[in-house]
Amino acid sequence: AQTVTQSQPEMSVQEAETVTLSCTYDTSESDYYLFWYKQPPSRQMILVIRQEAYKQQNATENRFSVNFQKAAKSFSLKISDSQLGDAAMYFCAYRSATNDYKLSFGAGTTVTVRA
Amino acid sequence: DVKVTQSSRYLVKRTGEKVFLECVQDMDHENMFWYRQDPGLGLRLIYFSYDVKMKEKGDIPEGYSVSREKKERFSLILESASTNQTSMYLCASSLQGRIADTQYFGPGTRLTVL
Repeated sequence: AQTVTQSQPEMSVQEAETVTLSCTYDTSESDYYLFWYKQPPSRQMILVIRQEAYKQQNATENRFSVNFQKAAKSFSLKISDSQLGDAAMYFCAYRSATNDYKLSFGAGTTVTVRA
Repeated sequence: DVKVTQSSRYLVKRTGEKVFLECVQDMDHENMFWYRQDPGLGLRLIYFSYDVKMKEKGDIPEGYSVSREKKERFSLILESASTNQTSMYLCASSLQGRIADTQYFGPGTRLTVL
C-alpha cells in the first residue's frame, strides 16, 4: 500500500495570513491522483482540491493551491487569506490511476485560525 | 448535491454485541466504502463494494463484515464488538470508471464500545 505522510499534526494561522500544509507520499507508479480533503469540526469531509500526476501545472481552487513536486513526491497545500471557516482537519490522499477505489490517507493536519 | 447519510451520529454498545452501521447514498454511485478514522492514523479502508452483492477487503477488514443488498445501501457489521473497535466510522461513495472522481463522505458515526 502507498504511504502518505503528513508531518505536521497541527498548524496555526492568523486570519488573512497564509499557511502551507505539507504532504509526502511513497509510490513506484508514474500515474496517480492526489487529493486534499477538509473535515470541519463535526461536519462532513469534503474535497478541497485534486491534482493529476501527469499534469505539470499546479491545481488551484480559489484561495487553495498546491505545490506538486513529482520527483520529490511532495504535495503541499497552501491556504491564502485564511478565514475562520478554514479551521478544520486536512487530509492528504493518494489514489493510483490503475484503480478507481482505493484512497490512501495521511494522518491529517489540524488547522486553527486565530481571529 | 450528492448526499451520503449514516444511520447514527453517536452509538454506544457493549462488548460482544452485534453492531450494524448503515449508509445510504442518493446519487446512484456504484462504489461504496467504509473507513475508520483514528487520531494519528488518518482514515483506513475497512471494506468497499463496487456493485450490489460485491465486496472487497480493504486494509483492516478483521472483525468486520459488510452487506450490500441494494445499490444505495452499504452496511458495516461488527459481529462481536470489542473495545478496540471504538472509533469514528465514515462511509463514502463514488462513481465507477471515473478514476479522478472524488469520494463523497457521510457525516460519520462515532462508535463507543464499553
